[in-house]
Amino acid sequence: DVKVTQSSRYLVKRTGEKVFLECVQDMDHENMFWYRQDPGLGLRLIYFSYDVKMKEKGDIPEGYSVSREKKERFSLILESASTNQTSMYLCACRAPGEGNTIYFGEGSWLTVV
Amino acid sequence: AQSVAQPEDQVNVAEGNPLTVKCTYSVSGNPYLFWYVQYPNRGLQFLLKYITGDNLVKGSYGFEAEFNKSQTSFHLKKPSALVSDSALYFCAVRDPRDLSGGYQKVTFGTGTKLQVIP
Repeated sequence: DVKVTQSSRYLVKRTGEKVFLECVQDMDHENMFWYRQDPGLGLRLIYFSYDVKMKEKGDIPEGYSVSREKKERFSLILESASTNQTSMYLCACRAPGEGNTIYFGEGSWLTVV
Repeated sequence: AQSVAQPEDQVNVAEGNPLTVKCTYSVSGNPYLFWYVQYPNRGLQFLLKYITGDNLVKGSYGFEAEFNKSQTSFHLKKPSALVSDSALYFCAVRDPRDLSGGYQKVTFGTGTKLQVIP
């Protein structure tokens, strides 16, 4: 199975801080994603990347940016954190073939105070 | 546009009883359908998927799901619930013909909380 690792599980940041959420996958897959999960809203796509240095906006990109310098690593950046960005952030990658199943990391809980 | 609905926010079932978590979908073509489970403070774990073929799909932890094209449903089932099955369950759909946005979008439902009562 694919292993997706999110190094920071729980973070508390102050309003206005710059926040980096790191994600690494171990299978050399091209497609990687960042989702945000909020109660009652399910999962919402922030950004995705289909290759190194390639990125596309998802459904809610405002306030976020991403970086993909290496194939295995996909970072989510909050340039200036705000309290409405308090949420669970999920990184994922997609396996080719086999119906393109998406595999998720363990999630990063971010609290902005 | 593709969409998925999980009509129940919460499902309660007694341990040992069969369980069903409902999912309906809307796509223009033939769907790819997925179920995921999320335990507290964890990421989503893949349970099973339907791509083509047999309408009854078996997955991890004894779960199965039935694809019903006429009812556009993909309900998750288990013959005998365990307390350890208590978690949040997400249904997801992808229309393989929909390449708008360039990334073969997967749409997730809002989740159903399953509570198995001892």
